[in-house]
Amino acid sequence: GQNIDQPTEMTATEGAIVQINCTYQTSGFNGLFWYQQHAGEAPTFLSYNVLDGLEEKGRFSSFLSRSKGYSYLLLKELQMKDSASYLCAVREGGSNYQLIWGAGTKLIIKP
Amino acid sequence: DTAVSQTPKYLVTQMGNDKSIKCEQNLGHDTMYWYKQDSKKFLKIMFSYNNKELIINETVPNRFSPKSPDKAHLNLHINSLELGDSAVYFCASSQGGQGPQETQYFGPGTRLLVL
Repeated sequence: GQNIDQPTEMTATEGAIVQINCTYQTSGFNGLFWYQQHAGEAPTFLSYNVLDGLEEKGRFSSFLSRSKGYSYLLLKELQMKDSASYLCAVREGGSNYQLIWGAGTKLIIKP
Repeated sequence: DTAVSQTPKYLVTQMGNDKSIKCEQNLGHDTMYWYKQDSKKFLKIMFSYNNKELIINETVPNRFSPKSPDKAHLNLHINSLELGDSAVYFCASSQGGQGPQETQYFGPGTRLLVL
């Protein structure tokens, strides 16, 4: 079956580093997306991984291990504005363009 | 310039009414989606259209009917609204290819409250 697991909530301190994990079990794999969603707003695209390894984009990096069905989003130099939910989504095999979404991790940043 | 727009942003209505939500994208994308996000913040796919053709139709009540007059528009009509329909409805679009082209871009959401 399809399953994506993320921690429900995490707390971190401003200026620190936090790693948000995502594990998945899907029928085939064609890429993994991370989205950020601030309260009351729409999800916005952060990163895409399809090959194993680390993709760095400024303060945010995303890692993928396909053999382990595992990804993480790494946020450095945390700012208060990083308080949001972070959603992991996997593109399965097939051609119907559907993403399987995790429930999201609510990240709370404290001063 | 708004890439994906939805109207209305807020919708408060009585049980039993029929309502529509409109979505438009000016990104030139081929694929559009409707999602429902409930109070637990879980994003659930409802429908997807590719070039005006329905390609995803998840298990939703048939009171929900999508319509795509052209590939830039995907509207959602809901009949006989129920209390459980209260949620945020997001429209999204993507190029519909492989890889990064599948990145979905979301509209601002429509907050539906059924009383």
